[in-house]
Amino acid sequence: DQQVKQNSPSLSVQEGRISILNCDYTNSMFDYFLWYKKYPAEGPTFLISISSIKDKNEDGRFTVFLNKSAKHLSLHIVPSQPGDSAVYFCAASGYNNNDMRFGAGTRLTVKP
Amino acid sequence: NAGVTQTPKFQVLKTGQSMTLQCAQDMNHNSMYWYRQDPGMGLRLIYYSASEGTTDKGEVPNGYNVSRLNKREFSLRLESAAPSQTSVYFCASSSDRVGEKLFFGSGTQLSVL
Repeated sequence: DQQVKQNSPSLSVQEGRISILNCDYTNSMFDYFLWYKKYPAEGPTFLISISSIKDKNEDGRFTVFLNKSAKHLSLHIVPSQPGDSAVYFCAASGYNNNDMRFGAGTRLTVKP
Repeated sequence: NAGVTQTPKFQVLKTGQSMTLQCAQDMNHNSMYWYRQDPGMGLRLIYYSASEGTTDKGEVPNGYNVSRLNKREFSLRLESAAPSQTSVYFCASSSDRVGEKLFFGSGTQLSVL
């Protein structure tokens, strides 16, 4: 069963506009949520995270929002840049790091 | 600053052949992981090692074995490869704190014919 779901396989936005990537989870025991970015032929790299005690975390152009009641998180990228074009994975974990579960990924394309 | 190094980058096997994927990290992490990535499935944990000498099964361990040779190295072995094991494999490491980010290697593209 997929405990972490990214229902949009792809997203295309214009340079300078906002990109919003969404993620839903089913396990209420998840306490930590992370976003990873992956370029072709490379491994995923950590982007930003949030714990369940917060509802927002910002890092430069990247902001993650968490809605625990809806079991939903989103990643906002403002403004989007062509270099942001990549696959973005949402991940969630509970008490142990070996419980981390990943979504299927969303391919973001930022058009110049 | 190498981080997590995986070898090989590409491999083609015939059904029934065996091979070992190698992984090493230089960040002094206790925790190491092997994931596989398949289209539409995200990354799924195969095996996990919390420290030297310990290993635990993840979501999809069948058909695989692992060895935590020392603190730096964590290898994944396919004893008898099957077409269902065609995938991209990633090794990762992290510190022990819960919710800590993972550092990934660049991946191994494996095809089993």
